[in-house]
Amino acid sequence: EAQLVESGGGLVQPGGSLRLSCSVSGFTVSSNYMSWVRQAPGKGPEWVSSLYSGYSTFYTDSVKGRFTISRDNSKNTLYLQMNSLRTEDTAVYYCARDVNWGGPSYFDYWGQGTLVTVSS
Amino acid sequence: DIQMTQSPSSLSASVGDRVTMTCRASQFISNYLNWYQKKPGKAPRLLIYAASSLQSGVPSRFSGSASGTDFTLTITSLQPEDFATYYCQQSFSTPALTFGGGTKVEIK
Repeated sequence: EAQLVESGGGLVQPGGSLRLSCSVSGFTVSSNYMSWVRQAPGKGPEWVSSLYSGYSTFYTDSVKGRFTISRDNSKNTLYLQMNSLRTEDTAVYYCARDVNWGGPSYFDYWGQGTLVTVSS
Repeated sequence: DIQMTQSPSSLSASVGDRVTMTCRASQFISNYLNWYQKKPGKAPRLLIYAASSLQSGVPSRFSGSASGTDFTLTITSLQPEDFATYYCQQSFSTPALTFGGGTKVEIK
């Protein structure tokens, strides 16, 4: 059974940085599409970023130029480097596997999430 | 962006009830619609993908259907473990995926 474990969240001041990690077991990160999804308090989930099995990366408009998604194949780990953080980035951040075979795609495995709080 | 609107935002039901909830897309998305269950402190769980396909391991009391840009999640006989919030998500505009605001199923 696959397992995804996020870490790296915490309290940071506006303008600060954090790097989230998602350690994966049960499948190979480099062979799959991987994504970060966040959920702010009281709101629905929001897609943040995706890294395809090549090296194509995608970001929601609100984080472009501030966040960077990457992976370490040797550690089977996905990352999200978050810079210039804003209060509106406060959320629980989840990593998920994106099953994308050319038809309807979906997230089949998710981590438990890591809380990022941006506040002064 | 494709907007996903879920209704109702919450509902109260009893164990054994039949429960339905709706998700409406702001434009045509074919069958590119998924449903997830979310409980506090837990990872989201995929229930239905491609509008009506049941994810492996998900009980058959969950089902999904589609009619144009309207999608429905039905729970035929609500169980205690089904009290949660349910979210729809479109993947038509991948990678720019969007979720609905959720339907919270509470105990009556």
